[in-house]
Amino acid sequence: DAGVIQSPRHEVTEMGQEVTLRCKPISGHNSLFWYRQTMMRGLELLIYFNNNVPIDDSGMPEDRFSAKMPNASFSTLKIQPSEPRDSAVYFCASSVWLPGADTQYFGPGTRLTVL
Amino acid sequence: SQQGEEDPQALSIQEGENATMNCSYKTSINNLQWYRQNSGRGLVHLILIRSNEREKHSGRLRVTLDTSKKSSSLLITASRAADTASYFCATDATGANSKLTFGKGITLSVRP
Repeated sequence: DAGVIQSPRHEVTEMGQEVTLRCKPISGHNSLFWYRQTMMRGLELLIYFNNNVPIDDSGMPEDRFSAKMPNASFSTLKIQPSEPRDSAVYFCASSVWLPGADTQYFGPGTRLTVL
Repeated sequence: SQQGEEDPQALSIQEGENATMNCSYKTSINNLQWYRQNSGRGLVHLILIRSNEREKHSGRLRVTLDTSKKSSSLLITASRAADTASYFCATDATGANSKLTFGKGITLSVRP
């Protein structure tokens, strides 16, 4: 079975450019999470969705970041405009929403470098 | 601040030895989970222990949970070089609505 799919796997862009990261969750999962991982700050939850509805976006750093989940099989995380401090590995994870027993399945990540 | 704090930050052992990693947290939880991350990869779920459980086993893994001390430990027995990875604890806080909070991780190196 296919796991969580993320694209692109690597992205190098210049400061000021728009970046769009994509995620396809595991079929049948109804929760989706976007994380950012850096050496300095560790793994940070940016936003998560239950049944395509954003539940908590308190981790989104600022207005330059936005996320959408138009349907159960697709989500995007957009950064506009990008800055060098956005360089990180971005992970998408999905789970079946079972209160008290959620296990998250992570994608391989997108390594973003902003020059 | 992080909900889960792992200890130690780094651990280096010889193949065949046991590895013990600890996690402390701050608030009431529904469950606590341990994940592994190999270099350059996403996190992989290892084991989940519910708040009403005290110990759980899965293969060479043993997890304990002490809710009175708000702490957990992960024991890997008879370690192998392939166990070299970062290990994270994650807590599902009561009322957090499926949100997990991860610690900063423990880097485990197993020397062949």
